[in-house]
Amino acid sequence: ETGVTQTPRHLVMGMTNKKSLKCEQHLGHNAMYWYKQSAKKPLELMFVYSLEERVENNSVPSRFSPECPNSSHLFLHLHTLQPEDSALYLCASSQEATGLSNSPLHFGNGTRLTVT
Amino acid sequence: DQQVKQNSPSLSVQEGRISILNCDYTNSMFDYFLWYKKYPAEGPTFLISISSIKDKNEDGRFTVFLNKSAKHLSLHIVPSQPGDSAVYFCAAIGAGSYQLTFGKGTKLSVIP
Repeated sequence: ETGVTQTPRHLVMGMTNKKSLKCEQHLGHNAMYWYKQSAKKPLELMFVYSLEERVENNSVPSRFSPECPNSSHLFLHLHTLQPEDSALYLCASSQEATGLSNSPLHFGNGTRLTVT
Repeated sequence: DQQVKQNSPSLSVQEGRISILNCDYTNSMFDYFLWYKKYPAEGPTFLISISSIKDKNEDGRFTVFLNKSAKHLSLHIVPSQPGDSAVYFCAAIGAGSYQLTFGKGTKLSVIP
């Protein structure tokens, strides 16, 4: 079992669909993150959760809605997305939230999202 | 405007030789720097880091150098191995910030 598991690996959805991305970490970490990687762009931070509390919302449109029910699970709920939202969505975790310590991020393998 | 820049999209190196990957940053508030490696269809994995109070950190075949006055860091891999072929991302963060800022990456190909 890898440290950070993301499902599904691939997702194709229409603009009117509602779907969710799931992330689970088995490392006992206290912080979890959603990052977005679009083609030809650097990784962009979307959300940070520390001890299940959202501590950063990086100007992300409301059509992306995160949920962190406990320190091991993180969801990203998607609704009425646009084609330009097609990207690789990466979940990560760290022992403590970045900014509180220098513990490195451990990433999952990502969900490749295509919005048609 | 990109605060972390990796100006070389790709680099090819012969097996056994040194690989040098470069990274420049513009934000003087950054005080901690990291390198990540990414294989296709996998997430990035942490490789090595350096604090701004140091100018060098070494871990086996990997060494990171930091030149604060030039706002430049580099990753040296020696000797390079075919398994090192991957995309390498430079990242930086400032004290108290949650925002880890990444470069666009450099694709390293180590030729056997």
